[in-house]
Amino acid sequence: KNEVEQSPQNLTAQEGEFITINCSYSVGISALHWLQQHPGGGIVSLFMLSSGKKKHGRLIATINIQEKHSSLHITASHPRDSAVYICAVSPNFGNEKLTFGTGTRLTIIP
Amino acid sequence: ETGVTQSPTHLIKTRGQQVTLRCSSQSGHNTVSWYQQALGQGPQFIFQYYREEENGRGNFPPRFSGLQFPNYSSELNVNALELDDSALYLCASSLDRGNSPLHFGNGTRLTVT
Repeated sequence: KNEVEQSPQNLTAQEGEFITINCSYSVGISALHWLQQHPGGGIVSLFMLSSGKKKHGRLIATINIQEKHSSLHITASHPRDSAVYICAVSPNFGNEKLTFGTGTRLTIIP
Repeated sequence: ETGVTQSPTHLIKTRGQQVTLRCSSQSGHNTVSWYQQALGQGPQFIFQYYREEENGRGNFPPRFSGLQFPNYSSELNVNALELDDSALYLCASSLDRGNSPLHFGNGTRLTVT
């Protein structure tokens, strides 16, 4: 079993829909990262969080440390949100040995 | 403020050869991490450098080695290339080795034939 599990693996939705991507992990962590990867390969860091909730524009990330679970929400989804979303956890202070999920491929249809 | 740049963008090598990939960190960042991403998989941590010293290593053999220079740019060297080394290699810099946001380059796609 992977230390970081994401669901769903693939998600297709209509423009405007509310999107939720889930991440569960089995190890103790000091921080969790949500990343966005476009087809060219480049990765953009969306959030880094260790507790509670963060919001940036239409994106919201939450984490429940006790349940070892995090969610990434996208409100009013748009075709430009189509990408692979990756959850990664840092087991200790310092980002070394980040462990990544395999990603959720999101496709937003106009 | 310049972002993280990686070179080359694409590279084709033959099994058994050696390769050097380069990463220029974002200005002011003293920590760089390298990752290998096979097709359809999430990235795998290779190692991290902080102020020119290795600061953590993943499950990669010694033929994967690295360097960080005084200007905090970095190299990843892979010796005796194997077919399974074909992947996207990503580097990410951060402000410090504490929990700070990662800034990724666009990666180098290595193909080993």
